[in-house]
Amino acid sequence: AQSVTQLGSHVSVSEGALVLLRCNYSSSVPPYLFWYVQYPNQGLQLLLKYTTGATLVKGINGFEAEFKKSETSFHLTKPSAHMSDAAEYFCAVTRPRGGNKLTFGTGTQLKVEL
Amino acid sequence: DTEVTQTPKHLVMGMTNKKSLKCEQHMGHRAMYWYKQKAKKPPELMFVYSYEKLSINESVPSRFSPECPNSSLLNLHLHALQPEDSALYLCASSQDLTGALPEAFFGQGTRLTVV
Repeated sequence: AQSVTQLGSHVSVSEGALVLLRCNYSSSVPPYLFWYVQYPNQGLQLLLKYTTGATLVKGINGFEAEFKKSETSFHLTKPSAHMSDAAEYFCAVTRPRGGNKLTFGTGTQLKVEL
Repeated sequence: DTEVTQTPKHLVMGMTNKKSLKCEQHMGHRAMYWYKQKAKKPPELMFVYSYEKLSINESVPSRFSPECPNSSLLNLHLHALQPEDSALYLCASSQDLTGALPEAFFGQGTRLTVV
């Protein structure tokens, strides 16, 4: 079984400040990990993924995440927040050759203030 | 082209109606998915199709009936729904189920309201 915990259902940052969204996972096998973003009344857009190899992965819109096996974490960061980053962010996990069944965290609503 | 197209964008239906949601992708993906998302909640998997065959049914009530007529299309037939079925229905696709390219691409969703 696998699960995802996103600490902080709401995160608020100032424009230009660092964005840090936390994700911890539980998996019996080395997982595949993803971050998705969802804008209001829209579908999910893939920001980045980790499967194997380099543990620091870069995604779209300046986001990156680091896979830390020892901490079972996959936190999402962006050096400088922009107003357009305000959205819901979901961390998700699946196991290799597991039918690509995504298990999502409960989501983090990011608010960006002037 | 990394687009998954869903129609309609919005749908209001009565509890005795029959309607269908449609999903189309032209990325050559052989795995397609239906997810249900309630307000302020994460998506929940409903069905997975692999090479046009139903691979996973997450114990979804029979009033939801999926269909995959070909590798590019995925339908979700709705009949005798309840108000609690109102939600955003998301279609997604991925390369296949082998895990080589596991990322799923999502459509914009259909906002369903059952009255």
